[in-house]
Amino acid sequence: KNEVEQSPQNLTAQEGEFITINCSYSVGISALHWLQQHPGGGIVSLFMLSSGKKKHGRLIATINIQEKHSSLHITASHPRDSAVYICAVYTGANSKLTFGKGITLSVRP
Amino acid sequence: SAVISQKPSRDICQRGTSLTIQCQVDSQVTMMFWYRQQPGQSLTLIATANQGSEATYESGFVIDKFPISRPNLTFSTLTVSNMSPEDSSIYLCSAERGETYEQYFGPGTRLTVT
Repeated sequence: KNEVEQSPQNLTAQEGEFITINCSYSVGISALHWLQQHPGGGIVSLFMLSSGKKKHGRLIATINIQEKHSSLHITASHPRDSAVYICAVYTGANSKLTFGKGITLSVRP
Repeated sequence: SAVISQKPSRDICQRGTSLTIQCQVDSQVTMMFWYRQQPGQSLTLIATANQGSEATYESGFVIDKFPISRPNLTFSTLTVSNMSPEDSSIYLCSAERGETYEQYFGPGTRLTVT
């Protein structure tokens, strides 16, 4: 069983829809990243969370440490949001990240 | 934040050759990391590049295959040696400044080995 599980694996939405992407992890963590990867391969860090909730523009990330669960919400989705969204956690020392497999989001105009 | 650039952005290489990927950060960072992302897979840490000492490799990765340099606090290189088609992947560099848990990623190098 992977330490970091993401669901759903693939997601298709219509422009304007509210989207939720989930991440569950099975180990104690120090912090959690939500990352965005576009088809070219480059990765952008969207959020780093250790508790609570963060908001940036149309993106909201929440984390529940007790339930070992995090969600990424996209409001008023747009085709440019189409990308792979990856959840990654810091599980211990030495700044090592453990990555989920990522969710491929496609937003149709 | 930190801005990271990588060279080359992509390359097509022949089996048996080697490729060196450069990673440049726009400011000094303490930790630099090299990841591999094979097609359809998640990121896997290859090694942590330490300034002034040898890189620390993860299980399954060895220095002879993936030699790494870290000559200063803003630059690192990863060499993929004696390449085979199984080395076709995206290679990503990342950096962390201090023990902040904030990691910044480069744009990646897409390598195809024929």
